[in-house]
Amino acid sequence: NAGVTQTPKFQVLKTGQSMTLQCAQDMNHNSMYWYRQDPGMGLRLIYYSASEGTTDKGEVPNGYNVSRLNKREFSLRLESAAPSQTSVYFCASSEEVHNNQPQHFGDGTRLSIL
Amino acid sequence: AQSVTQLGSHVSVSEGALVLLRCNYSSSVPPYLFWYVQYPNQGLQLLLKYTTGATLVKGINGFEAEFKKSETSFHLTKPSAHMSDAAEYFCAARGSTLGRLYFGRGTQLTVWP
Repeated sequence: NAGVTQTPKFQVLKTGQSMTLQCAQDMNHNSMYWYRQDPGMGLRLIYYSASEGTTDKGEVPNGYNVSRLNKREFSLRLESAAPSQTSVYFCASSEEVHNNQPQHFGDGTRLSIL
Repeated sequence: AQSVTQLGSHVSVSEGALVLLRCNYSSSVPPYLFWYVQYPNQGLQLLLKYTTGATLVKGINGFEAEFKKSETSFHLTKPSAHMSDAAEYFCAARGSTLGRLYFGRGTQLTVWP
């Protein structure tokens, strides 16, 4: 049972390059999320998708775009990478947005922007 | 909006000692509450979640959390620390509307032999 799978696990980019982070879940969850984790900041929500076909901004959406490709997949795109986007990115999924079921997390993508 | 405060970014205990990690939330209505653990180079794993009406919630690996509405707290405890408990712990709260999960800044637990 894979749960939430993120690719790639590591990536180094140069400033101005673009990149798409991939996320897929096999739990038939409706809702999916992208977070970034920075030291001492906890996790901050970038974007989320409550259900297939919908996406909404979170706390820190600037510089990112997302696509909910289908129920399983939710991608995060950096159009023009900046050093401030160096971070660890986590994808998560849950049954629904509006209940007490927990979110399940992938192992993260460690992204460095030079 | 919900906010979550974890008191103490670093906690150190000896193996066998009590572990106490503090979490306070801001809300007049008890939100959905969770504790997650993150081991190095891994994602977050659910330790436990608050169930409405409960005061003591049991989780995995011997952890439990006590919900105190009067103190708006959801502190995490374990009676006897083990070396394998060394990790970062996050408290999280989801409000009753919108559904966004708000995370505390995390507490790094170190366990000394």
